[in-house]
Amino acid sequence: EVQLLESGGGLVQPGGSLRLSCAASGFTFSSYAMSWVRQAPGKGLEWVSAISGSGGSTYYADSVKGRFTISRDNSKNTLYLQMNSLRAEDTAVYYCAKDGASPLPEDAFDIWGQGTMVTVSS
Amino acid sequence: EIVLTQSPGTLSLSPGERATLSCRASQSVSSSYLAWYQQKPGQAPRLLIYGASSRATGIPDRFSGSGSGTDFTLTISRLEPEDFAVYYCQQYGSSSFTFGPGTKVDIK
Repeated sequence: EVQLLESGGGLVQPGGSLRLSCAASGFTFSSYAMSWVRQAPGKGLEWVSAISGSGGSTYYADSVKGRFTISRDNSKNTLYLQMNSLRAEDTAVYYCAKDGASPLPEDAFDIWGQGTMVTVSS
Repeated sequence: EIVLTQSPGTLSLSPGERATLSCRASQSVSSSYLAWYQQKPGQAPRLLIYGASSRATGIPDRFSGSGSGTDFTLTISRLEPEDFAVYYCQQYGSSSFTFGPGTKVDIK
């Protein structure tokens, strides 16, 4: 069964850091680009970052550029999101999502994890 | 950046009725790289339609997508009780992704 399982969320103070993980199973992880998408409480979906299958190319939304870093370890079938300089507006459920067909981030997201909640508050 | 607008914001319908949801882009969406997702409370989004009109695996044929350029439509031919949810359109391609604000389909 194809599955994504996020972890690492929690409560962090403004200015703090957190690292999210997404464990993948049931498919050839390195063959697909991966993304992080977030959803603030009661709000819509916002794409955050993407990474190619090889990990050699990364992409960021302007709202997180310079503060967040996406990476992957294909030997461990795991995607990461390092979040630094966190702000209250980063509070959201963070989902990892699999690209539908390509090692480059250029397709719809066919598999999503269940999400992990990040709360930035003092 | 391509901005997506969805209408209406909320659609109140009864089971068995037809639902028509609109997604409009601020500029042409290349190669119809337009997807639709369904999200129920407390759940992750689920891919319904990609490439503007192709149904994802396991999606019932009462869901259909159409459109090109800047105007796209998701149609649910006959609403089932499990279809009441929020629906998002998304444009993708060229390593850029944006979502529309969503349309909530609720029970009248």
